[in-house]
Amino acid sequence: GAVVSQHPSRVICKSGTSVKIECRSLDFQATTMFWYRQFPKQSLMLMATSNEGSKATYEQGVEKDKFLINHASLTLSTLTVTSAHPEDSSFYICSASDNQQYFGPGTRLTVT
Amino acid sequence: QKEVEQDPGPLSVPEGAIVSLNCTYSNSAFQYFMWYRQYSRKGPELLMYTYSSGNKEDGRFTAQVDKSSKYISLFIRDSQPSDSATYLCAMSWTPTGNQFYFGTGTSLTVIP
Repeated sequence: GAVVSQHPSRVICKSGTSVKIECRSLDFQATTMFWYRQFPKQSLMLMATSNEGSKATYEQGVEKDKFLINHASLTLSTLTVTSAHPEDSSFYICSASDNQQYFGPGTRLTVT
Repeated sequence: QKEVEQDPGPLSVPEGAIVSLNCTYSNSAFQYFMWYRQYSRKGPELLMYTYSSGNKEDGRFTAQVDKSSKYISLFIRDSQPSDSATYLCAMSWTPTGNQFYFGTGTSLTVIP
């Protein structure tokens, strides 16, 4: 099956700093990638849809200036959490789509 | 009313048991139905994918969709300790679009 990777798998940062998370489709090209957020014992919440070469589409309630998404190529999308706060601590998961959605392993962000 | 309802469990069964996991939904427009398995601190992994109503079998796993009742099920036969994970149902109008609706997940533990 298709493989999606994320880096880093775990990151701890101080409040006020920015963190970049990478999502890569390793064996297929993905014109569309998705970014999700998951809190403990809760389901995935879609944050934004990222299309290669164009601006991301954000879900209602997600601050586009805080969660910067760049989909620079057909195999790479990045999510940058700017001026992170402790409430941004969460599990961030990306997925990449060809004829199905394939999820990355997730990135656990802890903001201290 | 939530689009997708899923009993969060937890569900605990002895090794070898048959496990039944279920989701109900409210939107009759859903055509694609997915089951994902998510191990702790990992991203979701696609297990089963079904279009419209009917059954689909893959090894020890069987997915059932009853669109008339807006009810989907995942059966696991001869359950193994390695099946211990959270199982998420998801559904959509398309297999790749951003309109994926996830259940909250059911936590399953298979006891040796």
